[in-house]
Amino acid sequence: KNEVEQSPQNLTAQEGEFITINCSYSVGISALHWLQQHPGGGIVSLFMLSSGKKKHGRLIATINIQEKHSSLHITASHPRDSAVYICAAWNTGNQFYFGTGTSLTVIP
Amino acid sequence: KAGVTQTPRYLIKTRGQQVTLSCSPISGHRSVSWYQQTPGQGLQFLFEYFSETQRNKGNFPGRFSGRQFSNSRSEMNVSTLELGDSALYLCASSWTSGGAANEQFFGPGTRLTVL
Repeated sequence: KNEVEQSPQNLTAQEGEFITINCSYSVGISALHWLQQHPGGGIVSLFMLSSGKKKHGRLIATINIQEKHSSLHITASHPRDSAVYICAAWNTGNQFYFGTGTSLTVIP
Repeated sequence: KAGVTQTPRYLIKTRGQQVTLSCSPISGHRSVSWYQQTPGQGLQFLFEYFSETQRNKGNFPGRFSGRQFSNSRSEMNVSTLELGDSALYLCASSWTSGGAANEQFFGPGTRLTVL
């Protein structure tokens, strides 16, 4: 069993749609990271959170520590949001555990 | 400010050989972490170095090793290469140690192919 599970694995949306990607984890964590990876491999850190909610532009990340669950929301999706989104848990044992990623395609 | 740089970007080796990859962090960052990404296993944490000391380690065999220099540049070495070591190797830098309070800044990666 993976320590971090993401859903869905693949997601296709029309431009302008509201998107939600979910992440559940089974380990105790100190922080949860959301990463974005574009074709070609480059990874960008979107959010790092240990409680509550963070917002950056059209992106919103939330975490529920009790339920061991985090969500990444994209409002008014755009084709440039097409990428793989990866959830990563930094656990209390000082290791990173990664989800398998959600491949998002936004169609104009 | 320059981003994280990795060299080389592409590398082809044969089984049994060894390889050394290099990572230069963002200026002022003292932590460098290494990751392996494969289609089958996804992203996996290799290890983290901070102030020339290995602080955290993932579940990889001893063939995978690293070091960090006084200027925070880091190298990763893989000895006795196996076909399964073919992967994208990413490094990331941050201000301090650990992923609990640090945004990770990733390099472009080194794509290693083992034949």
